[in-house]
Amino acid sequence: NAGVTQTPKFRILKIGQSMTLQCTQDMNHNYMYWYRQDPGMGLKLIYYSVGAGITDKGEVPNGYNVSRSTTEDFPLRLELAAPSQTSVYFCASSRTSGNTGELFFGEGSRLTVL
Amino acid sequence: KNQVEQSPQSLIILEGKNCTLQCNYTVSPFSNLRWYKQDTGRGPVSLTIMTFSENTKSNGRYTATLDADTKQSSLHITASQLSDSASYICVVRDSGGGADGLTFGKGTHLIIQP
Repeated sequence: NAGVTQTPKFRILKIGQSMTLQCTQDMNHNYMYWYRQDPGMGLKLIYYSVGAGITDKGEVPNGYNVSRSTTEDFPLRLELAAPSQTSVYFCASSRTSGNTGELFFGEGSRLTVL
Repeated sequence: KNQVEQSPQSLIILEGKNCTLQCNYTVSPFSNLRWYKQDTGRGPVSLTIMTFSENTKSNGRYTATLDADTKQSSLHITASQLSDSASYICVVRDSGGGADGLTFGKGTHLIIQP
C-alpha cells in the first residue's frame, strides 16, 4: 500500500494564480482531511470529507475549495492565490472519525505564493 | 475553546540521554490523546494513543503517560538516538464524534546531537 499520496511536493505560484493539490489514498478510508501547517503553529483543518460526495468546512476554509467524487481522491483547489496561503499542506485519511481514529498523513505539499 | 499546549518548544540533548516532552490540554469532553512524530519534510506518524483509562503505555523506547485529572500527558524517550530528531505533536480528540474534533499542539522540536 502506498498510503496517502500528495502531488506536487513543491510549487511556486504568483499572486492571483490558481492550482489544485492532488491527494489520493489506497486504504479505503472513508474520512479525508486537508490541513495546513505554518511555522511555529499547530496543524489547522481546512476542509474534511466523511465520504464520497460529502465535504465540510474546517477551521480555515477561506480561499480554498474541495471535492470528493470518489473514496480515493480528495483534491484541494486554491483560487486566486494570496501570500497568506504560503504554507505546507498535508492531506490525511482515517478509517473512522471515531474515538480511536488514527490519521495517516501524506508527505506534504510545500506551496509558496509570490 | 479547546487548547493543547506543549513544552518545551524546542530541546537539544546528546545522543544516549533521556528526555521528557509535556502536553497540557483543556479539551472537553476528552476522548483520547495521540502523540505523533514528524520527521523533517515528512508527514506526522502516530506513535501511541492514550485513552481515558490508560495511565502509561510504551512503544519501544517511547513511553507515554496520561493524567486525565490534571489533563496532562508526557512522552518520555529513553536512550535517545539520532533518528529521534523530529517534531513531536500532541493531538487531543474530543468525544463529540465529529471528524473535526481534533486539537493539535504546536509541537516540540527535538534535536539529538552526537
